[in-house]
Amino acid sequence: AQSVTQLGSHVSVSEGALVLLRCNYSSSVPPYLFWYVQYPNQGLQLLLKYTTGATLVKGINGFEAEFKKSETSFHLTKPSAHMSDAAEYFCAVSSGTYKYIFGTGTRLKVLA
Amino acid sequence: DAGVIQSPRHEVTEMGQEVTLRCKPISGHNSLFWYRQTMMRGLELLIYFNNNVPIDDSGMPEDRFSAKMPNASFSTLKIQPSEPRDSAVYFCASSHRSGGEDTQYFGPGTRLTVL
Repeated sequence: AQSVTQLGSHVSVSEGALVLLRCNYSSSVPPYLFWYVQYPNQGLQLLLKYTTGATLVKGINGFEAEFKKSETSFHLTKPSAHMSDAAEYFCAVSSGTYKYIFGTGTRLKVLA
Repeated sequence: DAGVIQSPRHEVTEMGQEVTLRCKPISGHNSLFWYRQTMMRGLELLIYFNNNVPIDDSGMPEDRFSAKMPNASFSTLKIQPSEPRDSAVYFCASSHRSGGEDTQYFGPGTRLTVL
C-alpha cells in the first residue's frame, strides 16, 4: 500500500525567503512522485514529477524537489518566495499505475 | 492545447434534483478520472476510465452517482438525487497511459452546492 504525508497543513514564509514544503511517502515499489499546485478556485496544476533517473527534479516557477529514497522524502523547495506562490500544494505518489495517492495538502502563505 | 474542460464551473441546486457535470479531456488522452475534493476527505478518486471503459468505480459513493464516457472526448458525472453532503468541488483529469508513466492533468473543477 502507498501513502503520503505532508507535514504542516499551513506554512508561512516572508517574500524572498526559502520555501520548503515537506512530503514523505510510503511505497513497497519504486514510486512515481508528483507535486501539484492549486490556486484559489482553480484545478490542480502539475509543478514537477519524479519517475526515474535524476533525483533532483526541476519544475515550473522556480520550484524543485529532490527524491531521497533513504529518507522516503520528496520535499519541495524554492530559493526565494514570491507573493504569487501563495497557493495550496499537494504531493502525490503512484506506483506507475493510474492510481494516485494524494497528501492532504499544504497551504502556503507568503508575507510581504 | 485547451487543457481539460469542465462545465459548469459552479452549480447550485436543491436537494433531490439531478445534477450533471461534464468533462472534455485533452485530445489524445486515453484515460479519464473523476475526483471529488472536500475539506474533510481531501481528494478522492471516484472513477477511472481507460479507452472509454470504466475500469475502477470503487470510489463512487453510492448508487446515486453514475458516470459515463460515450466517446473519447466527453464524459459526464451524474448525481440523482442530489443531497447536501454531495456539496464539493468535482475535478475531471485526463492522462495518456504510455508504459509506466501516467501524468494526470486536471480541469478547473465544478463547485457543486446542494441546498
